[in-house]
Amino acid sequence: DQQVKQNSPSLSVQEGRISILNCDYTNSMFDYFLWYKKYPAEGPTFLISISSIKDKNEDGRFTVFLNKSAKHLSLHIVPSQPGDSAVYFCAALKGRHTGNQFYFGTGTSLTVIP
Amino acid sequence: EAGVTQSPTHLIKTRGQQATLRCSPISGHTSVYWYQQALGLGLQFLLWYDEGEERNRGNFPPRFSGRQFPNYSSELNVNALELEDSALYLCASSLAVSSYNEQFFGPGTRLTVL
Repeated sequence: DQQVKQNSPSLSVQEGRISILNCDYTNSMFDYFLWYKKYPAEGPTFLISISSIKDKNEDGRFTVFLNKSAKHLSLHIVPSQPGDSAVYFCAALKGRHTGNQFYFGTGTSLTVIP
Repeated sequence: EAGVTQSPTHLIKTRGQQATLRCSPISGHTSVYWYQQALGLGLQFLLWYDEGEERNRGNFPPRFSGRQFPNYSSELNVNALELEDSALYLCASSLAVSSYNEQFFGPGTRLTVL
């Protein structure tokens, strides 16, 4: 049962434009969300997170938006750069002391075209 | 500071054999997590160890097991290997479980079962 879904396996964007990566979840108990970035032959690295008490978190070129009513979050990258080309995973966590279990999506492969 | 390390990088086994994968967390991290990433799937949570004890396990059969040593390094053992166990196995570590600390991932072990 995939509780975190990334329905777009791939996305191509021109350099300088906005990249929007989407993620949907089914469990309303999730209260913390993260985005990870993965290059080939490397493990995922943490990018940005958001608590369920917020609807937006910004860090430089990266902004995560959370729509709790729609159970949807998105990652915006502006402006996109060729070095952003990677696989992006969203992850969700429920409860601080309920096993610290992260639920990951299947990933979206972003290609930024120079 | 050294990141999470995993060994071996690649492992080839035949069906029915046992595989042992190893992980060394970042210094100071007490929690270790194991994930399986099979082809076309997201990261599936396997096991979580903290302070030497198994705290949570994902929806995997008992032939997936592991342990955490006093120095917080960890082993993942997979017994009676099946073809569908072929996957990338990722280890991650984090600080104490009492906060929403992001997980830091190793580069993974690619297990191939023939």
